[in-house]
Amino acid sequence: EVQLVESGGGLVQPGGSLRLSCAASGFTFSSYEMNWVRQAPGKGLEWVSYISSSGSTIYYADSVKGRFTISRDNAKNSLYLQMNSLRAEDTAVYYCARDTPLLGMDVWGQGTTVTVSS
Amino acid sequence: EIVLTQSPATLSLSPGERATLSCRASQSVSSYLAWYQQKPGQAPRLLIYDASNRATGIPARFSGSGSGTDFTLTISSLEPEDFAVYYCQQRSNWPQYTFGQGTKLEIK
Repeated sequence: EVQLVESGGGLVQPGGSLRLSCAASGFTFSSYEMNWVRQAPGKGLEWVSYISSSGSTIYYADSVKGRFTISRDNAKNSLYLQMNSLRAEDTAVYYCARDTPLLGMDVWGQGTTVTVSS
Repeated sequence: EIVLTQSPATLSLSPGERATLSCRASQSVSSYLAWYQQKPGQAPRLLIYDASNRATGIPARFSGSGSGTDFTLTISSLEPEDFAVYYCQQRSNWPQYTFGQGTKLEIK
């Protein structure tokens, strides 16, 4: 079964850090581009970051640039999001999503919740 | 940045009725548009890619159309499980694939 499972969310104070993980299974992880997408409470979807299959190409939304770092370990079939200098507005459910060119984000994890509050 | 505007924000219909959801882009995205369905407490699910192609396992009652800046998602006859929030996503400005703000399809 093709599956993505996120972990690492939690409650963190403003200015703090958190590292999210996304474990992939059921497909050849190293062949796929990946994204992080977030959803603030009661709000819509916001693309956060992209990483190419090899990890050599990376992009960020302006809202997280300079604070978040995306990475992957293809040997471990895992995707990561290091989040630093967290703000209240980063509070959201964070999803990892597989990206298939010409199709779209065709596989999503169940999400992990990040709450930034004092 | 390409901005997507979805309308209406909320659509109230009954099972068996036809639903028409709109997505307008601030600039041409050619046919590089996808539609997703999200139910409460669940992750989004890919419905339509390249404006008019159904993703694997998506029922035939879902169809997409449009190109350039104006797109439509049509559900021909609503089933109870179709009531959800629908998002469009442009896939023209790689890889910053922005989403619309969503249309909530609710039971009337």
